[in-house]
Amino acid sequence: QKEVEQDPGPLSVPEGAIVSLNCTYSNSAFQYFMWYRQYSRKGPELLMYTYSSGNKEDGRFTAQVDKSSKYISLFIRDSQPSDSATYLCAMNEIQGAQKLVFGQGTRLTINP
Amino acid sequence: DVKVTQSSRYLVKRTGEKVFLECVQDMDHENMFWYRQDPGLGLRLIYFSYDVKMKEKGDIPEGYSVSREKKERFSLILESASTNQTSMYLCASSLGPGQGAIRSGNTIYFGEGSWLTVV
Repeated sequence: QKEVEQDPGPLSVPEGAIVSLNCTYSNSAFQYFMWYRQYSRKGPELLMYTYSSGNKEDGRFTAQVDKSSKYISLFIRDSQPSDSATYLCAMNEIQGAQKLVFGQGTRLTINP
Repeated sequence: DVKVTQSSRYLVKRTGEKVFLECVQDMDHENMFWYRQDPGLGLRLIYFSYDVKMKEKGDIPEGYSVSREKKERFSLILESASTNQTSMYLCASSLGPGQGAIRSGNTIYFGEGSWLTVV
């Protein structure tokens, strides 16, 4: 079993829809949780990061962490065609190596 | 803004050639990484460096080596390229523990990627 599981999609929704992207994980020591966005033929760019459980909002994006369920989500409100990209979740522990563990990435397409 | 620059975006090499992928970061980060990204397999860590001349194997180091002679530069070397090394290679950097990494959640910053085709 992988440490981090992410549905690879592809996921296709109409413009304006609310999008929910999710990851589950098995390592209870994970404390920091990140979402990266990757456009085609580009490197991933950090979208949001959160620490421990709870919600964090940034514009149309909300990151949610439920440590009791080992489940994280990224919500996109009023989705736009420019949101079409691959979204990767990533996480790591406070202590230990500086390496992130990544999900496979979900390919999202927003249709005009 | 953090800038991680990969000098070669697209390369085509022959089987058996020695290949160098260069990466430079401009934020004085202690940590640097090389990943490869393949469809269906996600991002896989090849090597990690936490200081000049220091390196640590990642999940898939076989067939690769690295060099970090200066803090800002981290090179990935394919000693004898093979067709199964055709992939997108991503360099990344992050703050180290002594640089306040924990406050930033150990956030990693990526370069644009290098697309390598081995024929």
